[in-house]
Amino acid sequence: LAKTTQPISMDSYEGQEVNITCSHNNIATNDYITWYQQFPSQGPRFIIQGYKTKVTNEVASLFIPADRKSSTLSLPRVSLSDTAVYYCLVGGTYNTDKLIFGTGTRLQVFP
Amino acid sequence: NAGVTQTPKFRILKIGQSMTLQCTQDMNHNYMYWYRQDPGMGLKLIYYSVGAGITDKGEVPNGYNVSRSTTEDFPLRLELAAPSQTSVYFCASRFRDRGRFNEQFFGPGTRLTVL
Repeated sequence: LAKTTQPISMDSYEGQEVNITCSHNNIATNDYITWYQQFPSQGPRFIIQGYKTKVTNEVASLFIPADRKSSTLSLPRVSLSDTAVYYCLVGGTYNTDKLIFGTGTRLQVFP
Repeated sequence: NAGVTQTPKFRILKIGQSMTLQCTQDMNHNYMYWYRQDPGMGLKLIYYSVGAGITDKGEVPNGYNVSRSTTEDFPLRLELAAPSQTSVYFCASRFRDRGRFNEQFFGPGTRLTVL
């Protein structure tokens, strides 16, 4: 299972775009990159997943460079309700039974 | 679908007591997981199961036991509770197939305090 590294915390203001980068240097060929969001006192919830290039949904975008050794979660025009911890998880369809989370990035959005 | 449900929501135990945290999912997921989350910290994997009758240790299994007799249920047993087991416990499940890497679905958590 690829080890991931993220910044421990980030601050932003409402209306700004936030980019959170995750490093995963030993990502395997079959691995996907999945991001979760966790609000206080709740379980994590799935935000977005990608394999390569760019993925966009109604909540976020995920940018993955060609070497796939890192990925960037982009949250457009954040609001106070985006204050949460964001986790990057790397795993594949054939080689991942254990799913171990990294430390996550604590995003604080200010008014 | 109710998704992943956990009971109880809160529990206070005395040192040395034991209890079982219940987890049930109604999505017919084959994989299930138990995590603990200490205040201000990330998630630590305790145990996981890839199907009924099959369980394996995660990062922090000591002091816990699990069983998986059905696809739906994955109870976590604490024997001889200790203050170090004060934490929030999350159960999760996902469906593993060969086509894609499916996401986990988490329960609302059980907040356990050991005094």
